[in-house]
Amino acid sequence: QQQVKQSPQSLIVQKGGISIINCAYENTAFDYFPWYQQFPGKGPALLIAIRPDVSEKKEGRFTISFNKSAKQFSLHIMDSQPGDSATYFCAASKGYGAAGNKLTFGGGTRVLVKP
Amino acid sequence: DTGVSQNPRHKITKRGQNVTFRCDPISEHNRLYWYRQTLGQGPEFLTYFQNEAQLEKSRLLSDRFSAERPKGSFSTLEIQRTEQGDSAMYLCASSWGRDNSPFFGPGTRLTVL
Repeated sequence: QQQVKQSPQSLIVQKGGISIINCAYENTAFDYFPWYQQFPGKGPALLIAIRPDVSEKKEGRFTISFNKSAKQFSLHIMDSQPGDSATYFCAASKGYGAAGNKLTFGGGTRVLVKP
Repeated sequence: DTGVSQNPRHKITKRGQNVTFRCDPISEHNRLYWYRQTLGQGPEFLTYFQNEAQLEKSRLLSDRFSAERPKGSFSTLEIQRTEQGDSAMYLCASSWGRDNSPFFGPGTRLTVL
């Protein structure tokens, strides 16, 4: 049962362009939504995270948009650079403040930024 | 290096053998997680510790898998009688407190021949 669906599976963007990755979730108990970046042979690294009490969060070139009613959230990478070429995973967990922070991950999006 | 460390980084074994992986979390982190990631997929949750207590195990964790975290410090994940389907990247992550995202280690890539 895939509780977090991520799209597209891959995308190619020109340097300086905008990369947009979308995720949809089913479990309304989810209330914490991080994004991770993973390079080949490395573990996932936290990029940015959002809680449902805000609709948007920006950190540098990375922005999360959150639509609670649609149960969707997305990552925008502005001014994409070749160094951003990686696989990006959305994730979700439930229980704000509850014990544990077990993450359910999406399937990943492989981003290639062409110079 | 103050990040999460995992050893070994790579392990090749023959079907039926036992393997053990080690994870050293960030020193002040009281929560430790194990995930499994197969090629082209997102990580899947296996199990979770708070200090030395194992609080949750996924249905993915068959009887051949066992994890421990003695004294609430490092953790080990053992797979007995390995099968080819166990081939994957095994990721460890740690976090502090209730509301902080886990930090992941580099993973141990297991290949079962």
